[in-house]
Amino acid sequence: EDKVVQSPLSLVVHEGDTVTLNCSYEVTNFRSLLWYKQEKKAPTFLFMLTSSGIEKKSGRLSSILDKKELFSILNITATQTGDSAVYLCAVLSSGSARQLTFGSGTQLTVLP
Amino acid sequence: EAGVAQSPRYKIIEKRQSVAFWCNPISGHATLYWYQQILGQGPKLLIQFQNNGVVDDSQLPKDRFSAERLKGVDSTLKIQPAKLEDSAVYLCASSPSRQITYEQYFGPGTRLTVT
Repeated sequence: EDKVVQSPLSLVVHEGDTVTLNCSYEVTNFRSLLWYKQEKKAPTFLFMLTSSGIEKKSGRLSSILDKKELFSILNITATQTGDSAVYLCAVLSSGSARQLTFGSGTQLTVLP
Repeated sequence: EAGVAQSPRYKIIEKRQSVAFWCNPISGHATLYWYQQILGQGPKLLIQFQNNGVVDDSQLPKDRFSAERLKGVDSTLKIQPAKLEDSAVYLCASSPSRQITYEQYFGPGTRLTVT
């Protein structure tokens, strides 16, 4: 059974801090790893990572994948209160179904 | 481009009652997914459609849950009869294709409370 584990489960920081969120996975037929941000509504897409060692960057957010060690990290620099959300990691498997398996998420709270 | 639409946004029912949720994906998206997200957990895939055919329903509790996408566009998910543990947010998502390079776009979800 495919498994995605995120850590920490929750994190409280102050504005301006840098945070690192972790995602490890055990998946048969791995294809891609995706990061989503979920506020009090539907998840919104952040990144899709397919190749090892290539950093993807969007503003203050960046992410990298290590396919040998089976993990990914999501970094957020100079955090703002608007970054407060649940960050979900999901792994896309190949095969006939090509489904996403989600982790339980990391609840990030950024205090002013 | 309009997003994924879902209705209703909230629903409260008593256990053993029936309920139905509706989803209209982004226009042209061939693949549609229904997820169940229990509080404090990540979304769990219930069923995946490719056009009007079921690709994967291995995690759908078929004794009480059913879903259809008759014309390959919008979809309904039904629960009958509901149990307390069905309380969750039901998310619908769509993607242009099952190809791995496409991300899934999520709707706002339907929050179901079973009392």
